Amino acid sequence: GQSLEQPSEVTAVEGAIVQINCTYQTSGFYGLSWYQQHDGGAPTFLSYNALDGLEETGRFSSFLSRSDSYGYLLLQELQMKDSASYFCAVRAGGFKTIFGAGTRLFVKA
Amino acid sequence: DAEITQSPRHKITETGRQVTLACHQTWNHNNMFWYRQDLGHGLRLIHYSYGVQDTNKGEVSDGYSVSRSNTEDLPLTLESAASSQTSVYFCASSELAGGTNTGELFFGEGSRLTVL
Repeated sequence: GQSLEQPSEVTAVEGAIVQINCTYQTSGFYGLSWYQQHDGGAPTFLSYNALDGLEETGRFSSFLSRSDSYGYLLLQELQMKDSASYFCAVRAGGFKTIFGAGTRLFVKA
Repeated sequence: DAEITQSPRHKITETGRQVTLACHQTWNHNNMFWYRQDLGHGLRLIHYSYGVQDTNKGEVSDGYSVSRSNTEDLPLTLESAASSQTSVYFCASSELAGGTNTGELFFGEGSRLTVL
């Protein structure tokens, strides 16, 4: 089977740093992606890791360890607008992408 | 600007009726996907296509069908709608490329379907 595990909710304070973890078990693996979705909106792509290590894009960074089947999304200098759901997703076999259940991030003032 | 559009955005139907959700993209992407989103389950893959005349089953394909007659469109059909198919449906597309391509998915705005 295929499964991705991530926390259901995370709460943090504005200006803080938060890390959202993801572990996966899939029959194929090409890379790990992260998507952001605001309430009522469509998911939007944030990052992609195909190789081990850290990728940084502005305030967001994403990490992958293929040997541990583990990755995380790091959000720095949190802003209220970062309150959203965050999904890890595995590109598994060709261009098929399997998603986790999502982590709802609440940013408090 | 290229985009991906879904219609209708909201639909209410009755159990047993046939329903078709439309998806049209102007990205000229070969890959197209249908997902459903339910609370606690994230996005689950229903069907996908890698090109014209190509269709494949995803994780939750029972009760759904798709057809791909051109590059731009991948309509999703519910042959006989059931209450368990009440959900938000998202269509997505991605480009076909190898190498370091991320497989980034571009999503439509979603179609909210209620089956009574």
